[in-house]
Amino acid sequence: GDSVTQMEGPVTLSEEAFLTINCTYTATGYPSLFWYVQYPGEGLQLLLKATKADDKGSNKGFEATYRKETTSFHLEKGSVQVSDSAVYFCARVNTGNQFYFGTGTSLTVIP
Amino acid sequence: NAGVTQTPKFQVLKTGQSMTLQCAQDMNHEYMSWYRQDPGMGLRLIHYSVGAGITDQGEVPNGYNVSRSTTEDFPLRLLSAAPSQTSVYFCASSYYRTGGGYGYTFGSGTRLTVV
Repeated sequence: GDSVTQMEGPVTLSEEAFLTINCTYTATGYPSLFWYVQYPGEGLQLLLKATKADDKGSNKGFEATYRKETTSFHLEKGSVQVSDSAVYFCARVNTGNQFYFGTGTSLTVIP
Repeated sequence: NAGVTQTPKFQVLKTGQSMTLQCAQDMNHEYMSWYRQDPGMGLRLIHYSVGAGITDQGEVPNGYNVSRSTTEDFPLRLLSAAPSQTSVYFCASSYYRTGGGYGYTFGSGTRLTVV
């Protein structure tokens, strides 16, 4: 069935390092794709989204490109900060407006 | 502020007790959902509603009931709490507009412990 698979964590990086968190999906058609971020003790917040192939979502220095050839939506940031420490979730939505989330990737950025 | 309000933020129940987790949104969104978040398992959909008077089951509905009598409210009921229901619960509301994409807003969560 339809699903989202993202790389397992935890991921630990030094400040200013390059970040990639992989996400792939399986679905019929071309679902909208999302990255959500969850800071400690808080709910999920939308980070960025892309609604069709080749779209690039971007926010707060993070980017992800919707690649239908590889069914991927990898999250990247060129220079992470300590404040980026959080759990990141890749998600897709089906035609019934139901969201399916990956298992989450915990990121810790150390000074 | 507009958004999704969940209450309570924390709750401890004894096995067999019942309770209702409240969720309210003031954005006039049609869709509302309940998820549970467990370590290593991400978020799993419990129940969802596509509009007032309509509800349906998600991935893990057993042990939970929902109702949607108004657009604003979507309470989640635990009829007889079990330790396996210890989790963090998130309510979300969302909309879809043709040509306008999706909007999806989460509440801040309810941390439930069943002893």
